[in-house]
Amino acid sequence: QKEVEQNSGPLSVPEGAIASLNCTYSDRGSQSFFWYRQYSGKSPELIMSIYSNGDKEDGRFTAQLNKASQYVSLLIRDSQPSDSATYLCAVNSRSFGSARQLTFGSGTQLTVLP
Amino acid sequence: SAVISQKPSRDICQRGTSLTIQCQVDSQVTMMFWYRQQPGQSLTLIATANQGSEATYESGFVIDKFPISRPNLTFSTLTVSNMSPEDSSIYLCSVRLDRVEAFFGQGTRLTVV
Repeated sequence: QKEVEQNSGPLSVPEGAIASLNCTYSDRGSQSFFWYRQYSGKSPELIMSIYSNGDKEDGRFTAQLNKASQYVSLLIRDSQPSDSATYLCAVNSRSFGSARQLTFGSGTQLTVLP
Repeated sequence: SAVISQKPSRDICQRGTSLTIQCQVDSQVTMMFWYRQQPGQSLTLIATANQGSEATYESGFVIDKFPISRPNLTFSTLTVSNMSPEDSSIYLCSVRLDRVEAFFGQGTRLTVV
């Protein structure tokens, strides 16, 4: 089982719709959860962080965390073509050589159709 | 926030040679990291660059292949040694601020021929 799993996509939504991106993780001790956006050929950019159960809203983005279900999601409301990118879920989890580092999911490619 | 300058942005190298990638941050940061992102894949942590001591490597990565320097709190280098085509990838440095490892360099796109 992968430590962080995401829907591989690609996910296509029409402009103005809600895009829903999902992520599950295996380490119950994880405490910090992040969503990064990566445009093609660019480096990842942090768009949301969430640390406690429930919803966290920032503009058109809402992150949802359910630690009991080991599930974190990202909702993008009123999707725009400029939101077309790969979205990476990252979880602060224990790794081989370090105490706790970020483990990334494989990413979900989102395309917003005009 | 932090501004991270990473260079080179890309390079094409012959197999068997080595390439050193530099990462410069505009402020002092405790923790710096090096990642690899192979084509179409997600990010894999190579190592944590520790100031004043050896880097901490993740499973599957060794110091002889990926030596790392961290001479101060604003600078680090990653060397990809004795390269083979399998090393073709994007290499990224990142820094941690507060609780969040949020900021990435622009990446180095390496092609080994």
